[in-house]
Amino acid sequence: NAGVTQTPKFRVLKTGQSMTLLCAQDMNHEYMYWYRQDPGMGLRLIHYSVGEGTTAKGEVPDGYNVSRLKKQNFLLGLESAAPSQTSVYFCASKGLTHPKRGEPQHFGDGTRLSIL
Amino acid sequence: GESVGLHLPTLSVQEGDNSIINCAYSNSASDYFIWYKQESGKGPQFIIDIRSNMDKRQGQRVTVLLNKTVKHLSLQIAATQPGDSAVYFCAFDSGGGADGLTFGKGTHLIIQP
Repeated sequence: NAGVTQTPKFRVLKTGQSMTLLCAQDMNHEYMYWYRQDPGMGLRLIHYSVGEGTTAKGEVPDGYNVSRLKKQNFLLGLESAAPSQTSVYFCASKGLTHPKRGEPQHFGDGTRLSIL
Repeated sequence: GESVGLHLPTLSVQEGDNSIINCAYSNSASDYFIWYKQESGKGPQFIIDIRSNMDKRQGQRVTVLLNKTVKHLSLQIAATQPGDSAVYFCAFDSGGGADGLTFGKGTHLIIQP
C-alpha cells in the first residue's frame, strides 16, 4: 500500500518556467490537498479538492493552478515560476469524515522545488 | 485569521525522560485536533488525534490533552527515545468538513543521550 505518492521528489526551475507536480493516492480518498512548507513555518494550504472534477482555493492560491481529473490524482501547476515559490510542496488526502469522529490527512513525502 | 501557535520552537530532553509539547489555538470553532511528526526529508506522519468532546486520549507512549477553556493542546511522549527526534506539529480542522488543516509552526524535539 503506497499511500500518497508525489513526483518528482526534487526539481530546479528557472524563473518563468512552468511545471506540474503530480500527487497520486491509492486509498480511494475523496479529499485531496496541496500545501507548501517554508522554513520556520507550518504548512499552508494552497488548493484542495473535495472530489473528482472539483477544486477550491486555500490560504495561498496565487500563482498556482490545480486539476482533479481522476479521483486518485491531484495535479499542482506553476504556470510561470517565481523565486518566491521556492518551497517544499506536500500533497495530502483524506477519506470521508464520520460525523462523530475526525479523519486525519495522510501526507506524501514532498517535492522540493527551487526556483532560480 | 485562525492561528495555531507553539510555545517552544525547540525542546531538548534526555533519553528516557517524558516530553511535553504545547500548542495554543485561537479558533473557538475548532473541533478536531491532530498531532503530526515530521522527520527530516519526510512528510508529516499522523501520531494521534482528539475531538473537542474529549479532553484526553492515549496512544502507544503518547497522550494528547485538550483544554478547550484556554484553547490549549499538548502532546506527551513517555520514555522518549532517539527515534522520537523530529519536528512535531499541531493542527486543527474545523467543522469536520473538507477544508484543509491549519498548522502550527512546529516544535523541534531533540533527544540527548
